[in-house]
Amino acid sequence: ETGVTQTPRHLVMGMTNKKSLKCEQHLGHNAMYWYKQSAKKPLELMFVYNFKEQTENNSVPSRFSPECPNSSHLFLHLHTLQPEDSALYLCASSQGDSDGNTIYFGEGSWLTVV
Amino acid sequence: AQSVTQPDIHITVSEGASLELRCNYSYGATPYLFWYVQSPGQGLQLLLKYFSGDTLVQGIKGFEAEFKRSQSSFNLRKPSVHWSDAAEYFCAVGTGNQFYFGTGTSLTVIP
Repeated sequence: ETGVTQTPRHLVMGMTNKKSLKCEQHLGHNAMYWYKQSAKKPLELMFVYNFKEQTENNSVPSRFSPECPNSSHLFLHLHTLQPEDSALYLCASSQGDSDGNTIYFGEGSWLTVV
Repeated sequence: AQSVTQPDIHITVSEGASLELRCNYSYGATPYLFWYVQSPGQGLQLLLKYFSGDTLVQGIKGFEAEFKRSQSSFNLRKPSVHWSDAAEYFCAVGTGNQFYFGTGTSLTVIP
């Protein structure tokens, strides 16, 4: 138990579907992240939110839409995905901007696009 | 620019043998360094971290790492590997809310 909970753990969706991944952190952190991890590829940072404000968007296609209603919750809305979007999506949180931060990860959501 | 290099993509060790996973970083200021482990299908779990002070840090599951500023390295070690240590290991550098991860080292443990 890392204090970062992701749901669902597994998701299969068609290319025309709309679904969402949910992340909740119980650590009192102020920053939240989405990472994509594909087979044989490095971790890819997708989005960063700090105090609910998006501070980084790493040229992620618009078919991925993040939402951060408060510092404890982060969503990733998915629509019209492609098969190459199949991957493990990891949510993470950290204290915020200060030095000496530690980032903590959830268990991940396995996404398969068919 | 900050970067992290893990030179070994894959390492195989025998159970009971010692282990060292290499990590080199490029960072202009005082680095905050981390090692994470990822079991198949799981998220990344923090093994240990270095912020300051003693350059030899102890972590969970019997792991330790040594920070060597002169070599820009933060290598992970374990004196005796267990079969359950088979996993992917990631080294990372952090500054504020930005974190830079290496590409990972996959560890196989043979009986």
